[in-house]
Amino acid sequence: QQPVQSPQAVILREGEDAVINCSSSKALYSVHWYRQKHGEAPVFLMILLKGGEQKGHDKISASFNEKKQQSSLYLTASQLSYSGTYFCGTEIESFGYALNFGKGTSLLVTP
Amino acid sequence: NAGVTQTPKFQVLKTGQSMTLQCAQDMNHEYMSWYRQDPGMGLRLIHYSVGAGITDQGEVPNGYNVSRSTTEDFPLRLLSAAPSQTSVYFCASSYSGREPQHFGDGTRLSIL
Repeated sequence: QQPVQSPQAVILREGEDAVINCSSSKALYSVHWYRQKHGEAPVFLMILLKGGEQKGHDKISASFNEKKQQSSLYLTASQLSYSGTYFCGTEIESFGYALNFGKGTSLLVTP
Repeated sequence: NAGVTQTPKFQVLKTGQSMTLQCAQDMNHEYMSWYRQDPGMGLRLIHYSVGAGITDQGEVPNGYNVSRSTTEDFPLRLLSAAPSQTSVYFCASSYSGREPQHFGDGTRLSIL
């Protein structure tokens, strides 16, 4: 039941853009995005709710297509600090409000 | 505020031993969850709770028990440790179901 993330890994030069996708086979109520640096806990980036509401990071944007059960995270003008693993978490009815996370997308930003 | 506190940070167990991973939060959050993280597998939900006295199973609950007697604490019990339970365990809490989850620093558990 894990959502599927793509790509699995991406390498960017500083200043380049990237898109990370998340898709689910189940109807979604919300999609959450987190970033995790090696050896650390995941850190909240953004929540996208059914109906269009968004909560989160000013410098990161995302979209949520409810009909297609997909979300995309847009990282523009990437900085070295953007490196890490990005996880999408989807809220599905069978788990109440708990999240079902994807396997992650590893992002490396190089100078 | 300390946020979400997990103890211990590291633990080595022998097969068949039992132990409890502790999780406490001081933000008065109703929602708490336990995840395990294995290489290449992402975060997988073990158990979750939507308030004191209410718990439910996640994706990978076998071999684990939880209870939620207070809003602050959500311990995870390994009943009889197995090598397959070697993992990093994260506890998370949130104010409500559709608010940011705050993660603890994790417990790195090795079972020999």
